[in-house]
Amino acid sequence: GQQLNQSPQSMFIQEGEDVSMNCTSSSIFNTWLWYKQDPGEGPVLLIALYKAGELTSNGRLTAQFGITRKDSFLNISASIPSDVGIYFCAGQRGSNYKLTFGKGTLLTVNP
Amino acid sequence: EAGVAQSPRYKIIEKRQSVAFWCNPISGHATLYWYQQILGQGPKLLIQFQNNGVVDDSQLPKDRFSAERLKGVDSTLKIQPAKLEDSAVYLCASSLETLYGYTFGSGTRLTVV
Repeated sequence: GQQLNQSPQSMFIQEGEDVSMNCTSSSIFNTWLWYKQDPGEGPVLLIALYKAGELTSNGRLTAQFGITRKDSFLNISASIPSDVGIYFCAGQRGSNYKLTFGKGTLLTVNP
Repeated sequence: EAGVAQSPRYKIIEKRQSVAFWCNPISGHATLYWYQQILGQGPKLLIQFQNNGVVDDSQLPKDRFSAERLKGVDSTLKIQPAKLEDSAVYLCASSLETLYGYTFGSGTRLTVV
């Protein structure tokens, strides 16, 4: 099946630092999404990208849909303790909205 | 707007036993998904319903897993018999036609011992 390679697997940063994570695929996707999952909860959508080259921001979060449609990155600026969690990229292709997820990036923010 | 409701939150069973999970999607959401999330992995789609019809069940282990969505609203996912490797969080999600409305429930954490 389709695979998404997400990196890094984990990050330990100090409060206030910026963070960057990315996702690559061997297949083209029509849509890229970034989710955050807190312990014991389901993933929550952060940003959705629908067009190659698109750069979208949501507060301190910025994400881009790669030109090749095979990659995406997520940046978090000025991290705060509540940014702690697991961040997943997900790609969608086809008309049935099925998502393929990466393995996630575990973010730890030291206050 | 109420979210996607799932129950139970936790379940511990012995291998070879059966178990069922329940999901109530957001009102009006025609599409319902069941995902399996193994520890340390991203969610993996098991089955997708559009109203009460199956759209995609290509990754559902049909020898032991079954799901139904009667009347196009609530859904149940069943495992019979359970194996150790079925230990995971089972997430339900629902959406309108547009992808942006894809909302997950809190999941059911299954432990098979």
